[in-house]
Amino acid sequence: GENVEQHPSTLSVQEGDSAVIKCTYSDSASNYFPWYKQELGKGPQLIIDIRSNVGEKKDQRIAVTLNKTAKHFSLHITETQPEDSAVYFCAASKQGGADGLTFGKGTHLIIQP
Amino acid sequence: EAQVTQNPRYLITVTGKKLTVTCSQNMNHEYMSWYRQDPGLGLRQIYYSMNVEVTDKGDVPEGYKVSRKEKRNFPLILESPSPNQTSLYFCASSPGQNTGELFFGEGSRLTVL
Repeated sequence: GENVEQHPSTLSVQEGDSAVIKCTYSDSASNYFPWYKQELGKGPQLIIDIRSNVGEKKDQRIAVTLNKTAKHFSLHITETQPEDSAVYFCAASKQGGADGLTFGKGTHLIIQP
Repeated sequence: EAQVTQNPRYLITVTGKKLTVTCSQNMNHEYMSWYRQDPGLGLRQIYYSMNVEVTDKGDVPEGYKVSRKEKRNFPLILESPSPNQTSLYFCASSPGQNTGELFFGEGSRLTVL
């Protein structure tokens, strides 16, 4: 089955700096790649997603890039703010949607004031 | 308000005492799923359901049962809980199998002594 590796497990950045979280996947048939943000004491929430026919997608301060050849995708957060502190999960699916999602192990992003 | 509701949010129980964690969604979603979250292991799928009376195993189904008698409800049953089922459990729903976003509940923290 699919295997999703996520790095780093913990990332500490200064407020205002950029943060990058990277994921690799094993199944070349995967075609849907969402990113979820989990705040303390809450369930994960979708923040951005990308499909395999697109190389990059942006939404204000967050962006996701996809390299299908390398089976690699990344989350970029610019101008980080204290409210960006959370655990972030990447995931991959070959069913094209929520069904069959395999999640990475998560990255704890800490924004230092 | 559109939401996924889980109960109980916190539970401490003893080995072998059957318990049920309820999950209900008010968005008329077809797809529902249960995940467990453990430190260092991320989110792992236990069971999922494509629609009423249709359920299937995820990656870690051992020791769990589910049922989907109504579209809105998807309870998770632990017939004989063991300490290795101590975890944080999340129920999630999605409009359909090819629709990306998963809507998560707030989580149920279960401790089995």
